[in-house]
Amino acid sequence: EAEVAQSPRYKITEKSQAVAFWCDPISGHATLYWYRQILGQGPELLVQFQDESVVDDSQLPKDRFSAERLKGVDSTLKIQPAELGDSAMYLCASTAGGTQYFGPGTRLLVL
Amino acid sequence: AQSVSQHNHHVILSEAASLELGCNYSYGGTVNLFWYVQYPGQHLQLLLKYFSGDPLVKGIKGFEAEFIKSKFSFNLRKPSVQWSDTAEYFCAASNSGGYQKVTFGTGTKLQVIP
Repeated sequence: EAEVAQSPRYKITEKSQAVAFWCDPISGHATLYWYRQILGQGPELLVQFQDESVVDDSQLPKDRFSAERLKGVDSTLKIQPAELGDSAMYLCASTAGGTQYFGPGTRLLVL
Repeated sequence: AQSVSQHNHHVILSEAASLELGCNYSYGGTVNLFWYVQYPGQHLQLLLKYFSGDPLVKGIKGFEAEFIKSKFSFNLRKPSVQWSDTAEYFCAASNSGGYQKVTFGTGTKLQVIP
């Protein structure tokens, strides 16, 4: 069964450093989402792509976060500079038929 | 604004007890509804979904949910829980058309005691 791939699975960084996360959605899925999940809370949408275009980034802290999906396939989420409050799980999901399929996530710890 | 509310943050049950987790949504227009489960150390998995039709939806592992439009609710049920159901459960909703932005509830941690 096809899955959403994410890397790295874990990342430890110091504040003010740059970090990047990668996501490869299920083949053929045009819609890709990045979520942030803080411990004890539900996933919060950061950015949503339709093919290579951003369709919703209203909750993305654009002063430090950026996301791209240049060829409409895989995607990268970047944080620069990282802050202590960015420690969380970063989830990627892709959609088919209105149903989201999630990757395993990248757990980020900012020291 | 679109929102999903889960009223039970932490539920503890004994094995074989019945389960009902509450979920209410606030959405304009036609809505799609979901329940996801996150087992310890694993990623989010879809339990069941409602798009249209029969408001009683059956999912995997014996779970079901009922869509009650008049109450804006989509509660999750299971007649007899098992220790292996220990997990966190998330209710989610999306608009049924357009770009289908999905909003999640804050989750309910279920602990099943053997």
